[in-house]
Amino acid sequence: DIQVTQSPSTLSASVGDRVTITCRASQSISSWLAWYQQKPGKAPKLLIYKASTLQSGVPSRFSGSGSGTEFTLTINSLQPDDFATYYCQQYSSYATFGQGTNVEIK
Amino acid sequence: EVQLVESGGGLVQPGRSLRLSCAASGFTFDDYPMTWVRQAPGKGLEWVGFSRSKAYGGTIQYAASVRGRFTVSRDGSKSIAYLDMNSLKTEDTAVYYCARGLQNSNCLDFWGQGTLVTVSS
Repeated sequence: DIQVTQSPSTLSASVGDRVTITCRASQSISSWLAWYQQKPGKAPKLLIYKASTLQSGVPSRFSGSGSGTEFTLTINSLQPDDFATYYCQQYSSYATFGQGTNVEIK
Repeated sequence: EVQLVESGGGLVQPGRSLRLSCAASGFTFDDYPMTWVRQAPGKGLEWVGFSRSKAYGGTIQYAASVRGRFTVSRDGSKSIAYLDMNSLKTEDTAVYYCARGLQNSNCLDFWGQGTLVTVSS
């Protein structure tokens, strides 16, 4: 099974900051990686798929990069609505989620 | 508008069974794969199982943690996906989400609101 390791588990940031979250796969998954945002009590929301393709309706301050085993999610100019938990997910073989990153207010 | 509505959750004793349903609307159900994901209280997301669209043979995959106990199925005539859960364990306690797959994959572009399953004596 493909394992996915996400870091950090918690990230403290302020409005306007640029934040980066990293995801590492245990073997190459090409670009078959997605990023989701989840707020308390709500279902996850797809932000980015195929490592760097922005889902329709998602603000352009979100961006994704990487291929193979190393991936990043970057949020430019963090907004109040962005404080949430973020998950990466590989979907190259079955599916596996990262452990999540809680982006909290500094 | 794409909508996914789960139902069937509740309190169940260990060892018993439960069936979850996911009613889909707003898209051609047979053209899309459907996936089940769960989230234990205060924990992260765990992929449970997946059924491919009819166009791709309707094949099914399961996570190792549920293989042999859970069954994913779908009824295209009703646009409903099902998750049959047998031999339930306390560690199966979670919110269960159904979600639609993007481009015949486990990348999930629309999610239901979730239904809580509590396994406890």
